[in-house]
Amino acid sequence: AQTVTQSQPEMSVQEAETVTLSCTYDTSESNYYLFWYKQPPSRQMILVIRQEAYKQQNATENRFSVNFQKAAKSFSLKISDSQLGDTAMYFCAFFPRGAQKLVFGQGTRLTINP
Amino acid sequence: DSGVTQTPKHLITATGQRVTLRCSPRSGDLSVYWYQQSLDQGLQFLIQYYNGEERAKGNILERFSAQQFPDLHSELNLSSLELGDSALYFCASSVEASGRSADTQYFGPGTRLTVL
Repeated sequence: AQTVTQSQPEMSVQEAETVTLSCTYDTSESNYYLFWYKQPPSRQMILVIRQEAYKQQNATENRFSVNFQKAAKSFSLKISDSQLGDTAMYFCAFFPRGAQKLVFGQGTRLTINP
Repeated sequence: DSGVTQTPKHLITATGQRVTLRCSPRSGDLSVYWYQQSLDQGLQFLIQYYNGEERAKGNILERFSAQQFPDLHSELNLSSLELGDSALYFCASSVEASGRSADTQYFGPGTRLTVL
């Protein structure tokens, strides 16, 4: 079975600091996609960043970047210059090609303190 | 704003009742996915439709059903409701059926269902 594990249930950092959220996944697939979604207190699910497994280059979106280690099946999210608005639940999600669904991790609750 | 709309935002009902949740995908998206987010569980995939046809089923109870209409909006029907059905129900949409392209699922704001 394909699973996604987020080993940090909660994290807390000061505003402007850099924080890294961990995610590992288990699959026998070679082609797949990985996503990070953010769920703020409003409960809306917001796409943060996406990575295609066949691309070696790590994806970046402004202050958000990933460290994708395919052999280790690791997909961490780095948030630079963290802001109060980054406070949210962050979900790592795995999407194998040919499958019909996203498989989510249990989430990491991130709090940015002023 | 993802472009995916869901109604209603909140729904409070009693055990044994039936409710219908509605979702309109982003313009141009053909696939609709339904997910359930309970307090003690993460997001669980329920069902997917592509251009009116059911494509995949996840952990969807027999008391639940869904359909996608010709205008591509989708409805999730929940019947014989139980306390444990209280959850946030998300709809997501993407351009094509998965497996054929690098799809990204965009989520609606969700419907919060409370069963009393």
